[in-house]
Amino acid sequence: NAGVMQNPRHLVRRRGQEARLRCSPMKGHSHVYWYRQLPEEGLKFMVYLQKENIIDESGMPKERFSAEFPKEGPSILRIQQVVRGDSAAYFCASVTEMNTEAFFGQGTRLTVV
Amino acid sequence: GENVEQHPSTLSVQEGDSAVIKCTYSDSASNYFPWYKQELGKRPQLIIDIRSNVGEKKDQRIAVTLNKTAKHFSLHITETQPEDSAVYFCAASGDSGYALNFGKGTSLLVTP
Repeated sequence: NAGVMQNPRHLVRRRGQEARLRCSPMKGHSHVYWYRQLPEEGLKFMVYLQKENIIDESGMPKERFSAEFPKEGPSILRIQQVVRGDSAAYFCASVTEMNTEAFFGQGTRLTVV
Repeated sequence: GENVEQHPSTLSVQEGDSAVIKCTYSDSASNYFPWYKQELGKRPQLIIDIRSNVGEKKDQRIAVTLNKTAKHFSLHITETQPEDSAVYFCAASGDSGYALNFGKGTSLLVTP
């Protein structure tokens, strides 16, 4: 079991470009979370998904951010027209349907220049 | 949605002393309360968790207590060691359909 896999580990984008962050959950896990972590801050909830369904997106900014978890393939967090304030570590965590222990990926560190 | 408050934001103790971190939650439907440890530059990792049908749980030097009536839960670390230095996050969630929400974290420093 390879654990939760996130890629890329580091991503540099210029202002106005698009960022795509990928997360493959642990085997047997049907749900994923995305969190944003600013330097020296906590884990801010963004979105909670199961395959082909968004369960809770109350933490997602209203514009430029979207997330999906298709039937096949990884979950994708997409940030359009990135700005400097989007620079952060983005963590994905996966859970079973029982929503107990969440296993985190290594995170993607996005830098917007 | 669920609101989790965590205190203190920073905590410094001497090696061998105990450390206590406290959290409160707002949603009475929450029934699962994990604690995560995050070392610098690394991913958060689960260290202990508790469900709402249990008042206390212990694992070696780490214990968690839950007061469901007051909606607060605490992490206790005894005989602290320098390698316990990290950021600790509490969280709360319910059954499937309730998102896992985190407190803002406590930066624990254990000095030799």
